[in-house]
Amino acid sequence: AQTIHQWPVAEIKAVGSPLSLGCTIKGKSSPNLYWYWQATGGTLQQLFYSITVGQVESVVQLNLSASRPKDDQFILSTEKLLLSHSGFYLCAWSLDRNYAEQFFGPGTRLTVL
Amino acid sequence: SQWGEENLQALSIQEGEDVTMNCSYKTYTTVVHWYRQDSGRGPALIILIRSNEREKRSGRLRATLDTSSQSSSLSITAAQCEDTAVYFCATGYGNEKITFGAGTKLTIKP
Repeated sequence: AQTIHQWPVAEIKAVGSPLSLGCTIKGKSSPNLYWYWQATGGTLQQLFYSITVGQVESVVQLNLSASRPKDDQFILSTEKLLLSHSGFYLCAWSLDRNYAEQFFGPGTRLTVL
Repeated sequence: SQWGEENLQALSIQEGEDVTMNCSYKTYTTVVHWYRQDSGRGPALIILIRSNEREKRSGRLRATLDTSSQSSSLSITAAQCEDTAVYFCATGYGNEKITFGAGTKLTIKP
C-alpha cells in the first residue's frame, strides 16, 4: 500500500526566516507529485507539480520554490518567509496520467509571525 | 481562474435530509473531482466524473456533470452526521494543473 508522509507536522517561524517542508511517498514508483497551499477556511491553491525526478513546474508565484531530488521525495522551500505564507501545506501524489485521483498527505501547518 | 468567483459556502441541514452542492467552471475539462476534507486533514477523493458521463453514483453520493453549462453537482442522500466536512470540486486544465473550487462547508445537525 502507498503511504505519504509530510514533515514537519507544524512549524512556527519568523518573518524573513528560511523554510523547508518535505514530503515522501512510499510504495509507488514514479508518481506525479504536487504541492498545495490552503489558507485557513480557504480553498486549495496548487503551487507546483512534478512528473519526474529533477523536473518541477511552477503554477503560481508565491516566493516559494520546489525540488524533487529523488523519485519519492518532494521539497518545498523559501529563503525568506512572508506573513502571507502562513497556512496549511499539502503534498499529493497521483498516477502518471492526466487528472488522475490525487492522494493527499496529512499536511503541515505553518504559522509565520 | 478556472472557476467562477465564489467564496466558501456554508450549508447546514438536519440529519436525514438530502443536500446538493454545485460548482461551475470556466474552461473545458475532461474530468471533475469531488473531494471531502475533514478538519485538519488532507482532502480525500469521494467521486470522480468524466466528460463522457452525465451522472455517477457511489453509495449515497451522486455527481452530475453538464459540459454544455460547464457545471457539476454533488448530492448526498439521507445525510448523516459523519457527512459533516468541507466538500471541494476540482478540475484539470493544461498539463497537470488542478484547480479547486471555493468549497462548501457542510454541517449535518442531529
